[in-house]
Amino acid sequence: SQELEQSPQSLIVQEGKNLTINCTSSKTLYGLYWYKQKYGEGLIFLMMLQKGGEEKSHEKITAKLDEKKQQSSLHITASQPSHAGIYLCGADRSGTASKLTFGTGTRLQVTL
Amino acid sequence: DTEVTQTPKHLVMGMTNKKSLKCEQHMGHRAMYWYKQKAKKPPELMFVYSYEKLSINESVPSRFSPECPNSSLLNLHLHALQPEDSALYLCASSPLSSGGRAVYEQYFGPGTRLTVT
Repeated sequence: SQELEQSPQSLIVQEGKNLTINCTSSKTLYGLYWYKQKYGEGLIFLMMLQKGGEEKSHEKITAKLDEKKQQSSLHITASQPSHAGIYLCGADRSGTASKLTFGTGTRLQVTL
Repeated sequence: DTEVTQTPKHLVMGMTNKKSLKCEQHMGHRAMYWYKQKAKKPPELMFVYSYEKLSINESVPSRFSPECPNSSLLNLHLHALQPEDSALYLCASSPLSSGGRAVYEQYFGPGTRLTVT
């Protein structure tokens, strides 16, 4: 089984709607990273969460870390076509952020 | 400049060829990484260099040979690859704290799409 499970696997939302992507770890989290990837391209860093209860926002994207549940959520408010892509959570396994393990990914499509 | 560049963008090679992938960053980062990503799968860590020294090798076959000639460059030398090695190869870099532990985000390049025929 995967160490990092993301849900849902894929998501189609209408422009303007809100959405949430979840990332659950089966092992202790030292840090949680969120990245976005367009098909066949590199990863774009979104946010890094290191402390339980931490919440960060950037433009219309908010991420939270629940250390006790070993879970993180990514919430997008008023989605836009530019939000489309694959969202990946990455977990720091070593406490050094050198060994990142990525989640299974969530493919987001935003329709007009 | 927050950019990691990778060349070439695409590479097709035969199983007997020798080729190299290149990665460059000018952000002063002292940690650099190679990842392999198969279609519809998340990236998987291959190698980590810290201060130009190999610090992590995730049991990668010897047909993949990394090299870090200086703090800005990272190469991945390829020899006698198999068709199953076809994938997107991503390079990343990150700062290291003064204690040598990376606690910052990794910046990724656009990747090299490799096809082995």
